[in-house]
Amino acid sequence: GENVEQHPSTLSVQEGDSAVIKCTYSDSASNYFPWYKQELGKGPQLIIDIRSNVGEKKDQRIAVTLNKTAKHFSLHITETQPEDSAVYFCAVPPANQAGTALIFGKGTTLSVSS
Amino acid sequence: DAGVTQSPTHLIKTRGQQVTLRCSPKSGHDTVSWYQQALGQGPQFIFQYYEEEERQRGNFPDRFSGHQFPNYSSELNVNALLLGDSALYLCASSLALDEAFFGQGTRLTVV
Repeated sequence: GENVEQHPSTLSVQEGDSAVIKCTYSDSASNYFPWYKQELGKGPQLIIDIRSNVGEKKDQRIAVTLNKTAKHFSLHITETQPEDSAVYFCAVPPANQAGTALIFGKGTTLSVSS
Repeated sequence: DAGVTQSPTHLIKTRGQQVTLRCSPKSGHDTVSWYQQALGQGPQFIFQYYEEEERQRGNFPDRFSGHQFPNYSSELNVNALLLGDSALYLCASSLALDEAFFGQGTRLTVV
């Protein structure tokens, strides 16, 4: 089955710095790659996603890049702010299945200090 | 437009009891998935409902069952509760195979 690994598990940055979180997956047929942000006491919030027909997608300070050959995708946050502090999860739906079950990484706790 | 709503927000049950959690999907969504999130872990897929039938199931025992109603809302039932069932239970809705949006979750504590 699909295996998803996420690194690092914790990341501390100063306000204004950039943060990068990487996710690797095992099933080369996977074609949809979302990133979720989870704040304390809340459910995961979809912040950006990318499909396999593009290599990069941006939304203001957030971007996701995809390398299908190497089977990894990364979340980039620029000009970090204290409100970016949260746990971030990558997820991959197993390919060739009828549904949209997501296999999640173990999460990255991002701390942005001012 | 209301997003995904779950009830209750918190629940305390005794070992061996049964529990029912509820989810109303985002307006226009027809697919509901349930996840279990243990403390400090990523969500784990339990099962998914589409057209009132279980379409996909993760690696969870038969004690976990569900239902989807004609209005697309869904229930998750867990029988014979174990201490290890204590977790945040998340519902996610989507339209067919599109992006999944999560609710706030139900925090279940089994004592």
